Amino acid sequence: AQSVSQHNHHVILSEAASLELGCNYSYGGTVNLFWYVQYPGQHLQLLLKYFSGDPLVKGIKGFEAEFIKSKFSFNLRKPSVQWSDTAEYFCAVLFCGNKLVFGAGTILRVKS
Amino acid sequence: DSGVTQTPKHLITATGQRVTLRCSPRSGDLSVYWYQQSLDQGLQFLIQYYNGEERAKGNILERFSAQQFPDLHSELNLSSLELGDSALYFCASSASDRSAHYGYTFGSGTRLTVV
Repeated sequence: AQSVSQHNHHVILSEAASLELGCNYSYGGTVNLFWYVQYPGQHLQLLLKYFSGDPLVKGIKGFEAEFIKSKFSFNLRKPSVQWSDTAEYFCAVLFCGNKLVFGAGTILRVKS
Repeated sequence: DSGVTQTPKHLITATGQRVTLRCSPRSGDLSVYWYQQSLDQGLQFLIQYYNGEERAKGNILERFSAQQFPDLHSELNLSSLELGDSALYFCASSASDRSAHYGYTFGSGTRLTVV
């Protein structure tokens, strides 16, 4: 079955700490990969996406993600988080077809 | 504002009732997707419509149904509501099936509370 796993459900960091959120998916074929962010009380917004080319993808607000095909992973990173990065982060995978499957989400709280 | 409009923003209703959630996709988008976000299930894909036709189905209960109208807006109908149906219902849109890899645009959601 097509599935997406996010390793941590809750992450608490201090400002300026580095962030890495793990994401793995189950399917071995061609996939398109996304990270979405949901700030408190807001809708889901696209942070970054990968569908071909350079496996290191840069998104908005200083976020980046690396696609490692051999590990079926697409981890999200940010070198130095800010209080305003407090949000829930969702990894999503577009498997064959057009159904976007989301991971369970990771709630990030950044302490100021 | 993402360009995807969902109404109402909040809905409180009693068990056994029926409600209709409405979504207007971003201008020019033909595909509409419905998702349910709950604390225990996370973000679950319910159903997709493309230019008026059902294109994909996910974990949608038989008590739920949806349709997309000629003007491309979509409605999600939830009937015989149960307490467990309380959730945030998101609508998303994309230009077409083939552009889904660019990502979806999400609306702000409708928070349904069943009491």
